[in-house]
Amino acid sequence: KAGVTQTPRYLIKTRGQQVTLSCSPISGHRSVSWYQQTPGQGLQFLFEYFSETQRNKGNFPGRFSGRQFSNSRSEMNVSTLELGDSALYLCASSLDRSGANVLTFGAGSRLTVL
Amino acid sequence: QQQVKQSPQSLIVQKGGISIINCAYENTAFDYFPWYQQFPGKGPALLIAIRPDVSEKKEGRFTISFNKSAKQFSLHIMDSQPGDSATYFCAARGRNQGGKLIFGQGTELSVKP
Repeated sequence: KAGVTQTPRYLIKTRGQQVTLSCSPISGHRSVSWYQQTPGQGLQFLFEYFSETQRNKGNFPGRFSGRQFSNSRSEMNVSTLELGDSALYLCASSLDRSGANVLTFGAGSRLTVL
Repeated sequence: QQQVKQSPQSLIVQKGGISIINCAYENTAFDYFPWYQQFPGKGPALLIAIRPDVSEKKEGRFTISFNKSAKQFSLHIMDSQPGDSATYFCAARGRNQGGKLIFGQGTELSVKP
């Protein structure tokens, strides 16, 4: 069974640009969550999508957005990139939103903003 | 109230020793407490998890101890091995919070041969 697939794995952008990251969840998983990981702030929740609807949102500015498609694949977008957006962006999928669900993480997309 | 505090930041243990990582939380609405292990270049992987109605859970060499009244939980790694060298994160999730985990800051464990 394939795991959570994130693309691209690495990318470099300059300030002011925008970026789109993609996440393919484990087959059959309908919930996708996104996290930002930095050395200073650790792992921080960005948002969660289930059945194409945002169900939960973290404390990030509106420059961070996401969406989920009918096949459960998800994308996140960061507009007007800032140096501080340099981070590892992790996607996690789970079967559903129940209390028993387990989050499985992908390997992440490492974004460097110059 | 949403924080999860983890200690120590780093830990060095000899092979065969016991590694202990501690976490504390404040939000009594948390009802699920997982531990994740992360190797360089990889995403976090679920190691073991516990719910507050249980005081201890063991899976192989890994044990979670949970103290509900103190709002603390800890990970014990018995017979630590060099292959256990990784960063460990505790986390917590509130009821009906789906995929939203609140993570501790992480502990970098190094097991010396």
